[in-house]
Parts: sequence; C-alpha cells; structure tokens
Amino acid sequence: AQRVTQPEKLLSVFKGAPVELKCNYSYSGSPELFWYVQYSRQRLQLLLRHISRESIKGFTADLNKGETSFHLKKPFAQEEDSAMYYCALRDLYSGGSNYKLTFGKGTLLTVNP
Amino acid sequence: EAGVAQSPRYKIIEKRQSVAFWCNPISGHATLYWYQQILGQGPKLLIQFQNNGVVDDSQLPKDRFSAERLKGVDSTLKIQPAKLEDSAVYLCASSFGGVGEAFFGQGTRLTVV
Repeated sequence: AQRVTQPEKLLSVFKGAPVELKCNYSYSGSPELFWYVQYSRQRLQLLLRHISRESIKGFTADLNKGETSFHLKKPFAQEEDSAMYYCALRDLYSGGSNYKLTFGKGTLLTVNP
Repeated sequence: EAGVAQSPRYKIIEKRQSVAFWCNPISGHATLYWYQQILGQGPKLLIQFQNNGVVDDSQLPKDRFSAERLKGVDSTLKIQPAKLEDSAVYLCASSFGGVGEAFFGQGTRLTVV
C-alpha cells in the first residue's frame, strides 16, 4: 500500500530563513509526487509536481528514490508562504485510469516577521 | 476559468440523519473525485468517476455513503445515516483526464452532532 509521511505537523521559521518541509513515501511502484498548498481560507491547490521539475514561488523539490523522499525547499522564506502544505503520491503507471492521490497529513508552515 | 463549485459550504446535522453534497466540476473535466478530510488528516479519496462511470470506490463506506454522476457532469455525495465520525470536510476535485492536475473545490464542512 502506498503511504506518505510528513513528520512535522508544525514548522515555524523567520522571514528570510531557509525552509525545508519533509516528505517520505513508501510505494513499490513508480510514484509521481506532488506538493499541494492551502492558504488560509483558500482552496487546496497544486504547488508543484516532480515530473515538471519547475520552481514555483521559489520552492523546489527533488525526488530522491534512494531515500524515498520528496522534501520541499525554499532558500528564503516569505511571510506569504505561511500555509498548510501537503505532500501527495500517485502511481504513475497503474494502468487503466485509476490515478488515486494519497496525501500526507500536512505540515503547517508559519513564517514569522 | 470558473473553478470547482461545491454546496453547501457548511452543514450541521444530528447523527442518524441524512445529508447530501453537490459538486459542479470545471467544464470539460471528465474525471471527478470526492475526498474526505478529517481534522488533522490529509484528504482521503472516497470515490473517483471517469465521466459517469466509477473508477475507484474502494475506500467508500458503501453501507452509508453513496455517490452518483448521472450525466457525467455534476455529482452528489450522500450519507445516510450519518455518524459522529463522518464529521469532516468533503472535497470535490476534477481533472481533464486521470493524469491531469486535480483542481479542488472549497469543500463542504460537515458537523455531525
């Protein structure tokens, strides 16, 4: 069974400090990894996916298959980055059209001024 | 473009009552998902539709939960009878296809008392 673990429920940093939100997964197939973000009073939205290898709002994440990790990083945190962050996994080659997203429990990031 | 619409936003019911949630996906999106998010947890997939057919309902408690998408557009999720542990936010999401980005609605917060 696929599982996503986000070990930190809460993470607090100061503005301008580096931030890393941890995500580990367990899955025997070929996973596709995502980071979703939910700002206060807004809907859940996609931040980035490992396949696109983009940097969104200064955030990057590298899939490390050896360590089964997909940590989210930003070198200089901003106050507007304060939000709930969810790591999610999907089987890339499950066949058919079943592409179920499995989410972690989320990390609440607070960036202090 | 218009986003995924859900109603109602909030619902409070007594246990053993029934409740229904409605979702209107983004126009043209064939894939529709219902997720349950219990407080402190990440979203968990309840059911996935491809047009009006069910792709995955393995985590849907079928003794009390039902969902339909009769014309392949709007969808309703019903709980009958509700239990206290059904208190959660119910999220609807849609994507162009099974591999496309999933766009989420604002959710319906259900409280069962």
